[in-house]
Amino acid sequence: SQELEQSPQSLIVQEGKNLTINCTSSKTLYGLYWYKQKYGEGLIFLMMLQKGGEEKSHEKITAKLDEKKQQSSLHITASQPSHAGIYLCGADRLGGSARQLTFGSGTQLTVLP
Amino acid sequence: ETGVTQSPTHLIKTRGQQVTLRCSSQSGHNTVSWYQQALGQGPQFIFQYYREEENGRGNFPPRFSGLQFPNYSSELNVNALELDDSALYLCASTRDTYNEQFFGPGTRLTVL
Repeated sequence: SQELEQSPQSLIVQEGKNLTINCTSSKTLYGLYWYKQKYGEGLIFLMMLQKGGEEKSHEKITAKLDEKKQQSSLHITASQPSHAGIYLCGADRLGGSARQLTFGSGTQLTVLP
Repeated sequence: ETGVTQSPTHLIKTRGQQVTLRCSSQSGHNTVSWYQQALGQGPQFIFQYYREEENGRGNFPPRFSGLQFPNYSSELNVNALELDDSALYLCASTRDTYNEQFFGPGTRLTVL
């Protein structure tokens, strides 16, 4: 199975600050998925990256995939309290679909107003 | 809103009992996956069903079993509950040709 390590485990930032969350895989990445979770709730899909060097943005969130380093980063620009939550990266176990994911342990983000 | 619902929201059971958790997917979503998320951890893949057949399984014992029905609903059954089974159980559904999984809100199971 694929092991994903996320860093940092937790992050506290002042509103308006930029931040980056990293996800590193111990095995080849076939695709990398970013989700956001409010405590005790379901996961909300943010972005999917499939190709090395791919970069996607949605509103103030940008994700990049570095296939050679087997690493992905999630960057939030000008953070807001609404960005608070747990960010999870997930990778497909079988290398073919997003239907059997292995997840990192998550990064808890707190944004202070 | 993802269109995936789960019931019940919370459940308390005692060790040794059996539990059934339910998930209702969006129409047309032929694949459903179940995950277990312990406190402070990422979700762990339990198993997946595709068109009512088990299509993959994670590192979980046979006392974790499932069913998928033609009406896009599914069940996760856990027998002989153990204290470590206390967790948030998430189901996620996918259309055949899409890569995005839509997650339900989860069922919080507490085993005493």
